[in-house]
Amino acid sequence: GAVVSQHPSWVICKSGTSVKIECRSLDFQATTMFWYRQFPKQSLMLMATSNEGSKATYEQGVEKDKFLINHASLTLSTLTVTSAHPEDSSFYICSARRASGRAINPRETQYFGPGTRLLVL
Amino acid sequence: AQKITQTQPGMFVQEKEAVTLDCTYDTSDQSYGLFWYKQPSSGEMIFLIYQGSYDEQNATEGRYSLNFQKARKSANLVISASQLGDSAMYFCAMRELGAQKLVFGQGTRLTINP
Repeated sequence: GAVVSQHPSWVICKSGTSVKIECRSLDFQATTMFWYRQFPKQSLMLMATSNEGSKATYEQGVEKDKFLINHASLTLSTLTVTSAHPEDSSFYICSARRASGRAINPRETQYFGPGTRLLVL
Repeated sequence: AQKITQTQPGMFVQEKEAVTLDCTYDTSDQSYGLFWYKQPSSGEMIFLIYQGSYDEQNATEGRYSLNFQKARKSANLVISASQLGDSAMYFCAMRELGAQKLVFGQGTRLTINP
């Protein structure tokens, strides 16, 4: 099956610092990657959709200047939490959709990374 | 409006029993896909089963089956012969045709008791 990795798996940082999280598709090309945020005991909330070579599309209420997303290649997308604060502490999960020349097919499964736990002190 | 609704925050089931996790959805599209994911305490999202809106038969994957009732807009997950390792959060999700993103329900925490 398709493998998606995330790095780091967990990070602890001081308030005010920036944190970069990498999402890589290891054995396939991903035109689209998604970034989710999950608070304890809650569902996954989509933050943004990242298309290779173009600007990310952010969901309503997500600060694009705070959560910088870069999708520079077909196998790598990065999420940078700028000037992190304790309220940014959360579980961040990425997922990737295979590159396809066909129209979007509902059957196409997104492949999820293992997630990154961020704790801002 | 909530597109995916999971009304059971928590479920407790005895080992080896079957369990049904409820999911209802709301869409005006005719073509869409419904997914179930399992999330153990480690946090990884594990894909379990998929049902397309035009699929005539209910999807099955091993011990997982999907009770798809299109007219009622429900897509309940049935786990047969539950095992201790089935204890986890379960999320129902939908993707409409033409949309890239998955929309998730609130999740159901399933606990299997020995």
